[in-house]
Amino acid sequence: EDQVTQSPEALRLQEGESSSLNCSYTVSGLRGLFWYRQDPGKGPEFLFTLYSAGEEKEKERLKATLTKKESFLHITAPKPEDSATYLCAVQGTGGFKTIFGAGTRLFVKA
Amino acid sequence: DTAVSQTPKYLVTQMGNDKSIKCEQNLGHDTMYWYKQDSKKFLKIMFSYNNKELIINETVPNRFSPKSPDKAHLNLHINSLELGDSAVYFCASGGQGADTQYFGPGTRLTVL
Repeated sequence: EDQVTQSPEALRLQEGESSSLNCSYTVSGLRGLFWYRQDPGKGPEFLFTLYSAGEEKEKERLKATLTKKESFLHITAPKPEDSATYLCAVQGTGGFKTIFGAGTRLFVKA
Repeated sequence: DTAVSQTPKYLVTQMGNDKSIKCEQNLGHDTMYWYKQDSKKFLKIMFSYNNKELIINETVPNRFSPKSPDKAHLNLHINSLELGDSAVYFCASGGQGADTQYFGPGTRLTVL
């Protein structure tokens, strides 16, 4: 069964303190791995899609990487406005169902 | 322009009632989804429609019935509401396969 595990559950950073969020996945053939950002009281907002091991994508202070078993979301010099829950999701080749992880709650203090 | 909209944003009701949540997308996508996010923030797929045809139907009680009058709309009707149905329900749209999904703002359902 497809599975996504995110760590840590919560991460507290000082402004400017770079770090990484982890997403480990088990899937029978990867169709795509997704990163979303969710702010309190809002719907998830798309960040990246990665399709194959070795692929990397960047957007402002965020960089997503992918291996055959996990993905990392690297946050460089974060700002307080980066505080949110970051969700990882996968879709396997066995169907069209997208499986989400429980998320990492990121707090960035000024 | 709102891409994916849901109404209502908040829904407070008594146990045993029947309620509906409406969703509309103006992105021209063929596929729409309903997700449930529980108190632990886990986002779980419930249903998916592609061009008005049901393609994903997860193990949810048959009190939940999705209806897609056209490919821009996907409504969720819930019969005989129970306390455990309290959650935030998100509608999303996108393409089939590994395509980006665009989420609505969510409907917070509280069953008393």
